[in-house]
Amino acid sequence: SYELTQPPSVSVSPGQTARITCSGDALPKLYTYWYQQKPGQAPVLLIYKDTERPSGIPERFSGSSSGTTITLTISGVQAEDEADFYCQSGDSSGTLVIFGGGTKLTVL
Amino acid sequence: QVQLVESGGGVVQPGRSLRLSCAASGFTFSRSAMHWVRQAPGKGLEWVAVISYDGSTKYYADSVKGRFTISRDNSSNTLWVHMNSLRVEDTAVYYCARGISGSNYGMDVWGQGTTVTVSS
Repeated sequence: SYELTQPPSVSVSPGQTARITCSGDALPKLYTYWYQQKPGQAPVLLIYKDTERPSGIPERFSGSSSGTTITLTISGVQAEDEADFYCQSGDSSGTLVIFGGGTKLTVL
Repeated sequence: QVQLVESGGGVVQPGRSLRLSCAASGFTFSRSAMHWVRQAPGKGLEWVAVISYDGSTKYYADSVKGRFTISRDNSSNTLWVHMNSLRVEDTAVYYCARGISGSNYGMDVWGQGTTVTVSS
């Protein structure tokens, strides 16, 4: 079955840049979405269609793509950014939605 | 404001059924595809099912296909998932989410979730 692969954890100090990757063979052909989930809360859409940011999402969150890897970049990380981050896409048939396994961001 | 409110969760024995509801408000429900997504305790997000804006098209994750049925009523702005033959591994928080317009996958509004526990 098709999978999206994320690193289990990423750690950065406040003010630094965090990069969270998501890899999948079909990613060059399909859009990817990113979600942030804080403990006990529902996920929040951070990035859609690889690079677009919904209104209300801070500019320090950005998305980029290169081949089979999509990257969520958080510039100037703040303590409040500590959360789990999930990438999402679909399979090539267009009938299934796939989530990556999630990455826990720790702000040191 | 745009809002999704899930209900219907609870404790149920393996093999039994349960129906979850999602009440939508603040947007034109009949124009949006809708998803169910679940999260087992301490685990990541798992997509469950999607239904098109008019209810004509439905897709399911392999893990629930044949056991779960997604449906909607656009006149009452309500989404459901009927879960049959529940298993212990179906224990999770279940979220409903609005599909992003023009997208097969993205979800831009999420409810707060309802908890389903399958246990004997």
